[in-house]
Amino acid sequence: LAKTTQPISMDSYEGQEVNITCSHNNIATNDYITWYQQFPSQGPRFIIQGYKTKVTNEVASLFIPADRKSSTLSLPRVSLSDTAVYYCLVGPNDYKLSFGAGTTVTVRA
Amino acid sequence: DTAVSQTPKYLVTQMGNDKSIKCEQNLGHDTMYWYKQDSKKFLKIMFSYNNKELIINETVPNRFSPKSPDKAHLNLHINSLELGDSAVYFCASSQEGDGRYYNEQFFGPGTRLTVL
Repeated sequence: LAKTTQPISMDSYEGQEVNITCSHNNIATNDYITWYQQFPSQGPRFIIQGYKTKVTNEVASLFIPADRKSSTLSLPRVSLSDTAVYYCLVGPNDYKLSFGAGTTVTVRA
Repeated sequence: DTAVSQTPKYLVTQMGNDKSIKCEQNLGHDTMYWYKQDSKKFLKIMFSYNNKELIINETVPNRFSPKSPDKAHLNLHINSLELGDSAVYFCASSQEGDGRYYNEQFFGPGTRLTVL
């Protein structure tokens, strides 16, 4: 599995855009990039997934450069309820999810 | 309606006891998982079942035994509980090949196990 590196924590204010960058230098050809969100005392929740270029859904956008060695999760106009831990996962479609330490995002009023 | 449910939510027990955690999913998925989240918040996969068959068994002590009576249920039985077993255990499910994203798993709310 490709090793991922992401910031331990980030602080933001309501209404701002939050960008979390994940490094995955050893990503393999058949690896996908997936982001999960975990609120306190809850299980992780799938946010977005991509293979290359840009992916956007109703929750977030995922930017992946051509070399795929990093990816950036963008959360537009965050609110207090976006305070959570965000996990970057890189791997093939083999049922196994490998979670790292994640990035704790704290949104303040 | 809860998609993936676990019982109990909290479990406090003594060392050496045997306990079970139940998981049910009403999503019609064919694959279910058990994960362990330790105090450092790292989530690690323990087991995975696809249509009642074990497909992933990570390096988990034999004291942990998953049981899948049908594809909607995956229970976790733990024998001879140890202090190090204290953690939050998450059940999850997924459905492959339905046109959705790869590796999209739906997690339950977790069971916090405390071994005294």
